Amino acid sequence: EDQVTQSPEALRLQEGESSSLNCSYTVSGLRGLFWYRQDPGKGPEFLFTLYSAGEEKEKERLKATLTKKESFLHITAPKPEDSATYLCAVQAESNTGKLIFGQGTTLQVKP
Amino acid sequence: NAGVMQNPRHLVRRRGQEARLRCSPMKGHSHVYWYRQLPEEGLKFMVYLQKENIIDESGMPKERFSAEFPKEGPSILRIQQVVRGDSAAYFCASSSGYGTNYGYTFGSGTRLTVV
Repeated sequence: EDQVTQSPEALRLQEGESSSLNCSYTVSGLRGLFWYRQDPGKGPEFLFTLYSAGEEKEKERLKATLTKKESFLHITAPKPEDSATYLCAVQAESNTGKLIFGQGTTLQVKP
Repeated sequence: NAGVMQNPRHLVRRRGQEARLRCSPMKGHSHVYWYRQLPEEGLKFMVYLQKENIIDESGMPKERFSAEFPKEGPSILRIQQVVRGDSAAYFCASSSGYGTNYGYTFGSGTRLTVV
């Protein structure tokens, strides 16, 4: 069964304190791995898509990496406005387009 | 360029009533996906539709739930005879195709409360 597990569930950082969020996955053929950000009361906002092991993508203070079993979202020198829930999702080669989401990591950055 | 529009934003229904959730995809998008987010749980896929066709409904509960995406107008997720366990946030996403080369854009969701 295709599955996504994110850790930690919650993370508190001081402003400027870098860290990483983990997304472990099992899927029968990975078509792509997605990272989204979700603010309270809003829908997920797209961040990155990764396609193959070794791939990396960056956007401002965020950098996503991918291996054959997991993905990391690295946050460098975070700011309070980075506080949100970060969602990881996979799309399997065998399905028509649905995304399988993890539970998310809720990040709080304190000034 | 409006994004994915969902309405209503909040919906309160009494047990046994029907709930209708609407989703207008982004302009140019003909693929619509519905997800449900229960309290303290992750997003769960429900159904994938293209115009006038249900492509994948593997995540839809077998009873009381139905979805459509007519030739004209928004996609509708319909829940008949709602129960308290249906209380959740329902999100719609759209894309111009399926596969990772196409972005999936989410709406802001409809928060259904069953009292």
